[in-house]
Amino acid sequence: GQNIDQPTEMTATEGAIVQINCTYQTSGFNGLFWYQQHAGEAPTFLSYNVLDGLEEKGRFSSFLSRSKGYSYLLLKELQMKDSASYLCATRKDDKIIFGKGTRLHILP
Amino acid sequence: DSGVTQTPKHLITATGQRVTLRCSPRSGDLSVYWYQQSLDQGLQFLIQYYNGEERAKGNILERFSAQQFPDLHSELNLSSLELGDSALYFCASSVDYGGGTEAFFGQGTRLTVV
Repeated sequence: GQNIDQPTEMTATEGAIVQINCTYQTSGFNGLFWYQQHAGEAPTFLSYNVLDGLEEKGRFSSFLSRSKGYSYLLLKELQMKDSASYLCATRKDDKIIFGKGTRLHILP
Repeated sequence: DSGVTQTPKHLITATGQRVTLRCSPRSGDLSVYWYQQSLDQGLQFLIQYYNGEERAKGNILERFSAQQFPDLHSELNLSSLELGDSALYFCASSVDYGGGTEAFFGQGTRLTVV
């Protein structure tokens, strides 16, 4: 299977840091994506990890531990526009399978 | 703009009807994915094509079918529609079908079955 688990909702304050965790089944794993999706809009690509470690891209960073089947997305200096759903997705064979997403609420 | 074009943007139809959703991938992308997203649900993988051939299948109903044409555009056909088929249908494309190739999403087709 490709069970992907991430929290349903999280709340954070503008200017703060938030970490969104994702766990997945490791069999056949071939890479992990994070996407951002605003309500009713298309998902947009944030990051891709295939090797262990931290990938930093501006205010967003993504971490992967393949042995633990674990990833997180770290968002720094939160802005109101970061209010969205964050989707963890894994690639297995030719499929890209998405988790249900974490809805992030930003408070002023 | 991701470069992936989906038409129509909105579609309202009655139960029992059949509809066709269309997707044009980004220029140069050979792989097309279809996803269904119902209210408060995640993206459910339906099917994937690469250069005209079916590569992977997800939980796609038998009432649904898809194909990718020689010009690489793809169509998703939904028949005998039910109320529960109301959802956002996304198409995504990527250059390849493996490795680190990210998928770029179209704006989706919102299907409402009444």
